[in-house]
Amino acid sequence: LAKTTQPISMDSYEGQEVNITCSHNNIATNDYITWYQQFPSQGPRFIIQGYKTKVTNEVASLFIPADRKSSTLSLPRVSLSDTAVYYCLARGGFKTIFGAGTRLFVKA
Amino acid sequence: EAGVTQFPSHSVIEKGQTVTLRCDPISGHDNLYWYRRVMGKEIKFLLHFVKESKQDESGMPNNRFLAERTGGTYSTLKVQPAELEDSGVYFCASSQGGTAKSDTQYFGPGTRLTVL
Repeated sequence: LAKTTQPISMDSYEGQEVNITCSHNNIATNDYITWYQQFPSQGPRFIIQGYKTKVTNEVASLFIPADRKSSTLSLPRVSLSDTAVYYCLARGGFKTIFGAGTRLFVKA
Repeated sequence: EAGVTQFPSHSVIEKGQTVTLRCDPISGHDNLYWYRRVMGKEIKFLLHFVKESKQDESGMPNNRFLAERTGGTYSTLKVQPAELEDSGVYFCASSQGGTAKSDTQYFGPGTRLTVL
């Protein structure tokens, strides 16, 4: 299972685009990149998943370069309610390994 | 459609007592997982059920923890006897199944366990 590294914390302002980069140098061929969001006193919530290139849904975009050694979660125009912890996971099987995550704080 | 539910939301017990946590997965989900986060640490995988069978229990800390999923529906996680280091938040997740790459896990709100 590939280890992921991401910034411990980030600050942003409402309306800005936020990009959180995750490093996964030892990613395996079968691994998918998955991002979760977690609010206090709640369980993690699935945001987006991808294998390579770009994936977009109604919440976020995920950019994965050709070498797949990193990925970037992009949150367009964040609001105060996007303040949460964001986890990047490299997952090739059913077992999910969580790292420390990135604590995003959105200010008014 | 209801999400993953967990009961109780909080539990406070004394060292040496027994506690049973319950998880009700999303209806129709064959896969059920237990995770926990102890204070200051990362969320750790405990085990994975496929229907009523334990697929992977490599994360179970010791034999004081017993997980069951009779009938392949809800699951229970029993801690007996509880120790101080068992305090933390226990999360349950479920997924439909199929291939691992398409397996999106949906998490419950967690049970906060405090052992005094």
